Amino acid sequence: KQEVTQIPAALSVPEGENLVLNCSFTDSAIYNLQWFRQDPGKGLTSLLLIQSSQREQTSGRLNASLDKSSGRSTLYIAASQPGDSATYLCAVATGNTGKLIFGQGTTLQVKP
Amino acid sequence: NAGVTQTPKFQVLKTGQSMTLQCAQDMNHEYMSWYRQDPGMGLRLIHYSVGAGITDQGEVPNGYNVSRSTTEDFPLRLLSAAPSQTSVYFCASSLRASSYNEQFFGPGTRLTVL
Repeated sequence: KQEVTQIPAALSVPEGENLVLNCSFTDSAIYNLQWFRQDPGKGLTSLLLIQSSQREQTSGRLNASLDKSSGRSTLYIAASQPGDSATYLCAVATGNTGKLIFGQGTTLQVKP
Repeated sequence: NAGVTQTPKFQVLKTGQSMTLQCAQDMNHEYMSWYRQDPGMGLRLIHYSVGAGITDQGEVPNGYNVSRSTTEDFPLRLLSAAPSQTSVYFCASSLRASSYNEQFFGPGTRLTVL
């Protein structure tokens, strides 16, 4: 059974730091991996989608990498800002049914 | 485009009552799904649909019904609400149920069952 883990559960950093969020999964047979952002009381906003054949994707200050063989993905946030404070979720698609398996998330606080 | 919309935003029910959570998308997406989010459990798939007239069960389907009569709408019905169904419900959609397609989520419905 596929399990997705995100460590740490919470992270607090000063503004301007570069930081890395981690996501690991137990079964390397994934179709894709998607990173989301969730603000308190809000829905999920898609940040990046990495196909299983890709190694990384970039969008602005965000860079996500995927290493299927080791079952890991990282989300790199450059020059963090207070507006980046949110919970970051990773999710893997394990089949063509569209079903996503989510991690528990990392709650990030960026202090001014 | 409004994207994925959900109504209501908040709802309080008594045990045994029924209700329908509405979900609509205006992106002509074939694939739609419902998740629930609970503390410590993360997001779990309830039901999904790969197109109008086609639905299937996800991980936690008991107590919920769905139908997909149009491409745009995918309502979730609680037949007889139970306190265990207190949760935040999210609807999602993507162009197709394939590995190439990004999924988009609605703002959620926060449901409390007393």
